[in-house]
Amino acid sequence: SQKIEQNSEALNIQEGKTATLTCNYTNYSPAYLQWYRQDPGRGPVFLLLIRENEKEKRKERLKVTFDTTLKQSLFHITASQPADSATYLCALGGSYIPTFGRGTSLIVHP
Amino acid sequence: NAGVMQNPRHLVRRRGQEARLRCSPMKGHSHVYWYRQLPEEGLKFMVYLQKENIIDESGMPKERFSAEFPKEGPSILRIQQVVRGDSAAYFCASSTGLEGAKDTQYFGPGTRLTVL
Repeated sequence: SQKIEQNSEALNIQEGKTATLTCNYTNYSPAYLQWYRQDPGRGPVFLLLIRENEKEKRKERLKVTFDTTLKQSLFHITASQPADSATYLCALGGSYIPTFGRGTSLIVHP
Repeated sequence: NAGVMQNPRHLVRRRGQEARLRCSPMKGHSHVYWYRQLPEEGLKFMVYLQKENIIDESGMPKERFSAEFPKEGPSILRIQQVVRGDSAAYFCASSTGLEGAKDTQYFGPGTRLTVL
């Protein structure tokens, strides 16, 4: 069955460093991959979409890579700030219904 | 442009009662999705609707759960005879439906259902 893995342990980093979050998947050939941010008690907020034929996508301090051979996406936040602290979800899609990972909590310490 | 609205934000029900969760999509969006999120778990797809039409309800439990998106008014997720296991956060998302599989979904703030 399809499986999406995101590190269940929180990632703790110091302000100003680059945060890197990982999303691995198995038994899936997604047409696209999305990253969302979710704050406690709030709904997910869409950040970036990367398609299967794209290797990398950037948006301001965010960068996403998509390696369909390794079946992995990396999500980077450069010059991280305490305000970036949240849970980050990856979602894979081939049809109109994306499948979400459980998310990884990021904590940026001042 | 108002985002996706959900109400109530918090809902408490006793076992056996009915829960009605409402979702108003973003202006111009005709597609609605419902998800359930349990603590420490990912978002689980429940149902995908267009106005007056259920597109995909493969994630909905076969009993007690139903959803609708009428021509006028919000989408409703209805849970009959609630049980403690129904306690969760229920999120609604909407999209334009214009890009099919690659539509961006915009999420509401969620309804947190607690069953006593």
